[in-house]
Amino acid sequence: NAGVTQTPKFQVLKTGQSMTLQCAQDMNHNSMYWYRQDPGMGLRLIYYSASEGTTDKGEVPNGYNVSRLNKREFSLRLESAAPSQTSVYFCASSEGTGYPYEQYFGPGTRLTVT
Amino acid sequence: TQLLEQSPQFLSIQEGENLTVYCNSSSVFSSLQWYRQEPGEGPVLLVTVVTGGEVKKLKRLTFQFGDARKDSSLHITAAQPGDTGLYLCAGARRGSTLGRLYFGRGTQLTVWP
Repeated sequence: NAGVTQTPKFQVLKTGQSMTLQCAQDMNHNSMYWYRQDPGMGLRLIYYSASEGTTDKGEVPNGYNVSRLNKREFSLRLESAAPSQTSVYFCASSEGTGYPYEQYFGPGTRLTVT
Repeated sequence: TQLLEQSPQFLSIQEGENLTVYCNSSSVFSSLQWYRQEPGEGPVLLVTVVTGGEVKKLKRLTFQFGDARKDSSLHITAAQPGDTGLYLCAGARRGSTLGRLYFGRGTQLTVWP
């Protein structure tokens, strides 16, 4: 039981390049989330998917797109990377409709945009 | 605007000291969670509190949910170097059915031997 897995673990991009961050969970969870973490800012929600087939914007969605490929997988795409997107990105999952909404996190992707 | 305010932002103490971390809001939450994050890893859930006034203990850690469900505290007794990490509180707003959590900015705790 791997929990939440993320790839890649590290990535360096040049400004304007695109990339997709992959996330998968094996806990049969309904809901999945993408966060970014910057020093002193805590975790900020980028996008989330309450259930397969639905996605919604979080606090900081600009510059990102997501795809809920199936119940297991939720990807985050940067179409044209900018230095302001340098951050650590975390994917998380939860049962979603259950109460309370405990979330399980992946190990993170450390992205640097030069 | 940050929905959950954590204080202090940084805490540096000696082994054996006690400490309290606070998580405050003007909003009501249906549940409040505490996570701990170590360098290079994702946050890991420590505890969930769901009832106003609830107190939960996890070894030397005591978590409390305020009576009005707007605030929470984490108290550590006799801190140890292994307690070092980033402590994050997170709340689920009353009425939310989408599983969304709102996180505080975190308290970075360093315990020196």
